[in-house]
Amino acid sequence: DQQVKQNSPSLSVQEGRISILNCDYTNSMFDYFLWYKKYPAEGPTFLISISSIKDKNEDGRFTVFLNKSAKHLSLHIVPSQPGDSAVYFCAASAHTGTASKLTFGTGTRLQVTL
Amino acid sequence: ETGVTQTPRHLVMGMTNKKSLKCEQHLGHNAMYWYKQSAKKPLELMFVYSLEERVENNSVPSRFSPECPNSSHLFLHLHTLQPEDSALYLCASSHVAGLSSYNEQFFGPGTRLTVL
Repeated sequence: DQQVKQNSPSLSVQEGRISILNCDYTNSMFDYFLWYKKYPAEGPTFLISISSIKDKNEDGRFTVFLNKSAKHLSLHIVPSQPGDSAVYFCAASAHTGTASKLTFGTGTRLQVTL
Repeated sequence: ETGVTQTPRHLVMGMTNKKSLKCEQHLGHNAMYWYKQSAKKPLELMFVYSLEERVENNSVPSRFSPECPNSSHLFLHLHTLQPEDSALYLCASSHVAGLSSYNEQFFGPGTRLTVL
């Protein structure tokens, strides 16, 4: 049973437009959410996170929105740039006061076209 | 070296071989993780070490054996693997989260393992 789902395997967006990547989760114990970006032949790179006490977190061109009632989060990238082309993973964690254990989605491949 | 490094980057082994994957973190973290990424599947957490003590073993077969000699190094010893174990193996590290804080994990580039 997949607790973190990214239902869109791929997304194509024109340069300069907004990219919206979506993620749904089922475990109501999750209280911390992260987005990672992965280029080929590299490990995932941390992008942005949000805790469940917030509904929005912004860092430059990247904003993550959290809708706890819908168990849904989204990553907005605006404006999108060709260098943003990568696979984006959503991850969630339930706080345990010890090492964080992340549950990942399957990823969404973003292609930013010129 | 900075960040999280993994060696080797690529490994091809037969089912009867014994090999080890190595991970080293230069971030001063005190928790380390092994993940497996198979094609079209989400990253699967395999093992977690917190303060050099194993705190998680996600029903991983015994042919995978982790070792964490200190907070900077993590190994994954492999023996009698199966072809279905072919995957990308990723190491990550983080600070141990406090009771009111969270910490993101930083990943290495991974080892691409092929079992023949």
